Order: sequence, then C-alpha cells, then structure tokens
Amino acid sequence: GAGVSQSPSNKVTEKGKDVELRCDPISGHTALYWYRQSLGQGLEFLIYFQGNSAPDKSGLPSDRFSAERTGGSVSTLTIQRTQQEDSAVYLCASSRTGSGSQYFGPGTRLLVL
Amino acid sequence: AQSVTQPDIHITVSEGASLELRCNYSYGATPYLFWYVQSPGQGLQLLLKYFSGDTLVQGIKGFEAEFKRSQSSFNLRKPSVHWSDAAEYFCAVGESAGNQFYFGTGTSLTVIP
Repeated sequence: GAGVSQSPSNKVTEKGKDVELRCDPISGHTALYWYRQSLGQGLEFLIYFQGNSAPDKSGLPSDRFSAERTGGSVSTLTIQRTQQEDSAVYLCASSRTGSGSQYFGPGTRLLVL
Repeated sequence: AQSVTQPDIHITVSEGASLELRCNYSYGATPYLFWYVQSPGQGLQLLLKYFSGDTLVQGIKGFEAEFKRSQSSFNLRKPSVHWSDAAEYFCAVGESAGNQFYFGTGTSLTVIP
C-alpha cells in the first residue's frame, strides 16, 4: 500500500522567504510527527499530532515554525522568514494509535541560501 | 527529560562478522525503545521495538536487541553482517507508544568485503 509521502522532495529558497512542506500520512494513521535532521545530527522532534487532540508543539525551535493538520490527515509545516540554519531534511512520520511504530516519509531537503 | 546516547559515531566491520551497536537511554520509567535504519537515499525503517515482556526482541533483516534495565541499554546485534547492512542506525526512546520520541545521533555502519 501507499506509504508516507512528502512534497516537495527538495526546496531551495532565499533567506527571509516563507516555505511550506507537505506530508501525506498513511491512511488510517491517527498519529503524525515532524522531525528535522541536520547533517551529522540525529532526528530532532518538532511536533506531534494525535487525532483531534491539541498538538504537542514542544519541539518547535522558534515561533517562525508552525504546523497544522487538516481533517486528521494531511499536514503542512510552515517556516516563516527562513534562516540559513533552517537548512536540513524535514521528515514526517505517521503511526496507528498505540502502535509506536512510525512509518517515515522520504523527507524534504530544504536549502536556505 | 528523556535522552538517547549512541556512543559510536562510526563502526566498520567485515562482511560475515558479528555486529553490536550500543544505545543507552535516560528515562525514569520503563521506556518504549526502537531501532531504525536509514539506508543511503532511503527513508527510516523500523527494525524492531521493545514495549514490555521478553527483553530480547527479534526484528527484521536478522537483527535483534536486548533491553537491559540495570544498564539502561538497548543494544542492537546481528550475528553475521551483510554488505547491504551498511547504513545509518538510530536508536529511539519514547515514554509511551504514541507520544513524542527522542532519537540518538546515529551510528554509521560501514561493511568491508
């Protein structure tokens, strides 16, 4: 079946511009996660959605970062006024409630010039 | 706060040799533990997970891991490494099956003929 998809796969933007990254989770998965992976680093938790509950935003690094999840499915991560340090691979994952087994998308590679 | 330490940044093993990747965690209660693999150009894939019960868990691709509460460790093992196992390996810990997860910085595995 279809896995987690993310778009775009690559994004090059200029410092100060806003970007939107999209994640389509596996159908039926109620949990959705966003992570950031910088070169040589592990995965940094950003935000977690579970069903209709309020998201856990504790990992968002600044107020320039926001995310929403519409209809319990597709999620968009928005970075406003991008900075060069935002350059990284942004990964999305989804899982069924209670399983803990996350299925990851291929990621969006963001480069801020 | 939870944290995960993977002490080995890079490991090189010969094909056919045994492998052990170390993972130590910091968490007050019984954690949910995971190992993921990220092959070049691929997304992260779950190898195995531990929630409760038998402390030796079997995963895909011939991998296994053992939870040792006394050592706060969850080391990944494979008796005979194949060249296709060359990849980045990440250990992760969560406080429940559906909450946020903390990833280690990864161990890069090189397999030589």
